[in-house]
Amino acid sequence: SQKIEQNSEALNIQEGKTATLTCNYTNYSPAYLQWYRQDPGRGPVFLLLIRENEKEKRKERLKVTFDTTLKQSLFHITASQPADSATYLCALLSSYNTDKLIFGTGTRLQVFP
Amino acid sequence: DTAVSQTPKYLVTQMGNDKSIKCEQNLGHDTMYWYKQDSKKFLKIMFSYNNKELIINETVPNRFSPKSPDKAHLNLHINSLELGDSAVYFCASTPGGLAGAIYEQYFGPGTRLTVT
Repeated sequence: SQKIEQNSEALNIQEGKTATLTCNYTNYSPAYLQWYRQDPGRGPVFLLLIRENEKEKRKERLKVTFDTTLKQSLFHITASQPADSATYLCALLSSYNTDKLIFGTGTRLQVFP
Repeated sequence: DTAVSQTPKYLVTQMGNDKSIKCEQNLGHDTMYWYKQDSKKFLKIMFSYNNKELIINETVPNRFSPKSPDKAHLNLHINSLELGDSAVYFCASTPGGLAGAIYEQYFGPGTRLTVT
């Protein structure tokens, strides 16, 4: 069956460190992968998009990698800050169905001062 | 200016009632969506519309009926509400056409529906 898995446990890190979040997928042929941030009581906010033929994408302190061999995307936040504390969702667009995004369950990140 | 807005923010109602949630986007996008986020934070697509036409209906019970009077609005009407309908419902929009999902999605603030 098709699955998109993110660490269900919260990730706790100290301010200034690099946070690395994982998104693994099975039985998908993704064309695109997107990352979103969701704060409590709010809707998800788009962060980055990476295509299947791209290895890496950067935006300020954020970096996303996409390894179609490992079937995995990693999301990095460098020099993390308490304001980065939120739930981060990965979302995949299958190359066989470009009508909809399939979301993972998200990983909650807590950055401590 | 709110890009994607939803009303109401909170909705508490009893089983068996009928309720509606409204969504409006002022981004000029062609495609709009309804998502349901359950208590485990899993975000699942329900419907999508492109220029007022239904594109996706994800095996949602027919008690749920979306309506798009124009491409800036997508409403969700729910009949005979059940306890399992309790969730947060998000509206979203993207600028693309039929393959709108390749673009980033802009989400509304959500409507927390509680059925008692």
